Amino acid sequence: EDQVTQSPEALRLQEGESSSLNCSYTVSGLRGLFWYRQDPGKGPEFLFTLYSAGEEKEKERLKATLTKKESFLHITAPKPEDSATYLCAVQATSGTYKYIFGTGTRLKVLA
Amino acid sequence: GAGVSQSPSNKVTEKGKDVELRCDPISGHTALYWYRQSLGQGLEFLIYFQGNSAPDKSGLPSDRFSAERTGGSVSTLTIQRTQQEDSAVYLCASSPTGGQGEAFFGQGTRLTVV
Repeated sequence: EDQVTQSPEALRLQEGESSSLNCSYTVSGLRGLFWYRQDPGKGPEFLFTLYSAGEEKEKERLKATLTKKESFLHITAPKPEDSATYLCAVQATSGTYKYIFGTGTRLKVLA
Repeated sequence: GAGVSQSPSNKVTEKGKDVELRCDPISGHTALYWYRQSLGQGLEFLIYFQGNSAPDKSGLPSDRFSAERTGGSVSTLTIQRTQQEDSAVYLCASSPTGGQGEAFFGQGTRLTVV
């Protein structure tokens, strides 16, 4: 069964304290891996798509990387406005194009 | 901006009533998805539409749930005889590339069944 596991469930960082969020996945074949940010009361906001092992994407303080079994979202020198829930999702090569989501990491960055 | 639009944003209904939730996808997007997010939970897939193909209904939790997409654009998710466990945020997303690649989400409809 295709599944996605994210860790940790919650993370508290001081402003400027860099860290990484993990997304482990099990799929028959990976079509794509996606990172989203979700603020309270809002829909998920797209951040990155990764397609193959070794691929990396960057945006401001965020950098996403991909291996054959997991993805990391690295946050460098975070700011309070980076506080949100970060969601990881995969699309498998088998079946339709549905996204399988993890339960997310709740990030709180303290000033 | 021309993002995914969902209505209503909030809906309170009595147990046993039927509800309809609406989604207007981004213009030109061929793929449309419905997901459900319960408090503190991840996103649960419900249904996927792609062009004129038969929808993937594999995530619908019971026959009380149904969805349609008219003219390849607007979609309606209908829940009949609502139950308290149906209370959740219902999210709609659309994708420009038939679902291959990223999807863009609306703000969701928060459904509360009392």
